[in-house]
Amino acid sequence: QQQVKQSPQSLIVQKGGISIINCAYENTAFDYFPWYQQFPGKGPALLIAIRPDVSEKKEGRFTISFNKSAKQFSLHIMDSQPGDSATYFCAASSKTSYDKVIFGPGTSLSVIP
Amino acid sequence: SAVISQKPSRDICQRGTSLTIQCQVDSQVTMMFWYRQQPGQSLTLIATANQGSEATYESGFVIDKFPISRPNLTFSTLTVSNMSPEDSSIYLCSGQGSGGYTFGSGTRLTVV
Repeated sequence: QQQVKQSPQSLIVQKGGISIINCAYENTAFDYFPWYQQFPGKGPALLIAIRPDVSEKKEGRFTISFNKSAKQFSLHIMDSQPGDSATYFCAASSKTSYDKVIFGPGTSLSVIP
Repeated sequence: SAVISQKPSRDICQRGTSLTIQCQVDSQVTMMFWYRQQPGQSLTLIATANQGSEATYESGFVIDKFPISRPNLTFSTLTVSNMSPEDSSIYLCSGQGSGGYTFGSGTRLTVV
């Protein structure tokens, strides 16, 4: 099922800094790319999502950049805060595959004061 | 976004027994999905459940081991059958609502 690659595996960022997580996919049928945030003991929560007809989407401190030709997308967290410390998963889905969501391996983010 | 209530939140079970996990959605969703997540790892899709039809299982997962029920558009169950310690994991359900995909809080299963 590993059709979505994600890096880095772990990331440590100073408070106020920018956190950047990168993902790549292979299946060109993917047409929906969400990012999930997961805290220990909780289910993943949708953070932000993008479709391939736009190159960037911003919601508050979170921005997705999307490069369709390179089959890559990334999450930028501006002004990172200790409360952002969590595991982040990029994911992808396709209507041709009944919209099932395939997850990347995850990035453990730690924001230190 | 749809809110999903999942239960039980955790359980410790004897090997050879079965556990049924329930997910209740506060609105109608067409597709529900069941995932397994080992601690510290990503989510692996077990199966896709559509109302009124048999669930579609991913490679490595079979109906005899993980039977799924989807009686209506707001409810689904996953049964982990004839459990072994290798089934110890976190199981999550997901549904697609108007605000995207949402997840239950998970069931932490330990098989002893």
